[in-house]
Amino acid sequence: NAGVMQNPRHLVRRRGQEARLRCSPMKGHSHVYWYRQLPEEGLKFMVYLQKENIIDESGMPKERFSAEFPKEGPSILRIQQVVRGDSAAYFCASSTRRDTIYFGEGSWLTVV
Amino acid sequence: GQQLNQSPQSMFIQEGEDVSMNCTSSSIFNTWLWYKQDPGEGPVLLIALYKAGELTSNGRLTAQFGITRKDSFLNISASIPSDVGIYFCAGHNSGGSNYKLTFGKGTLLTVNP
Repeated sequence: NAGVMQNPRHLVRRRGQEARLRCSPMKGHSHVYWYRQLPEEGLKFMVYLQKENIIDESGMPKERFSAEFPKEGPSILRIQQVVRGDSAAYFCASSTRRDTIYFGEGSWLTVV
Repeated sequence: GQQLNQSPQSMFIQEGEDVSMNCTSSSIFNTWLWYKQDPGEGPVLLIALYKAGELTSNGRLTAQFGITRKDSFLNISASIPSDVGIYFCAGHNSGGSNYKLTFGKGTLLTVNP
């Protein structure tokens, strides 16, 4: 997973606040994915993005969650008005085309 | 939705022992992947399998893609303390969404020195 950079690694938010998680893909990778891992669970797909395009957001909750991957800069996963159930580890991954994907080290969100 | 049943849920073994864990699916997968996750870290890819029947090794690790395309196993030989962690199987099906991985719930491996 070396090369996929996520920040912050740990984030604490009060209920109702916004959380922004950033991901810089591996060099040369233009495909970015976000997954969520609840405690003692496997990872679950949220969204797949290419530069300036959302390709598949079928795993994203319909409300409060959004993702972008602008032409310049990192991909952002944004969670508005966080609730306790949003507490989880959020993993970004990247790949070239649709090849093997590599995960970052994760961002742990705690909602208090 | 698709489900992966991974077993065992946890294992506690002595250093030097061999380990075997497996995953079964309710539907066909065309790729199986095995990841290891250390506490507070992201999953690290161990082995990728792309063909039914394929047997692939990576050092002390060996994984196989089942003939039915609905199962896979991972073996670790001569375990060492640094093998401790959670092992996840993951796969994606034949529907073309090869980025949309389905993960098992993991096998927690503890190695007693």
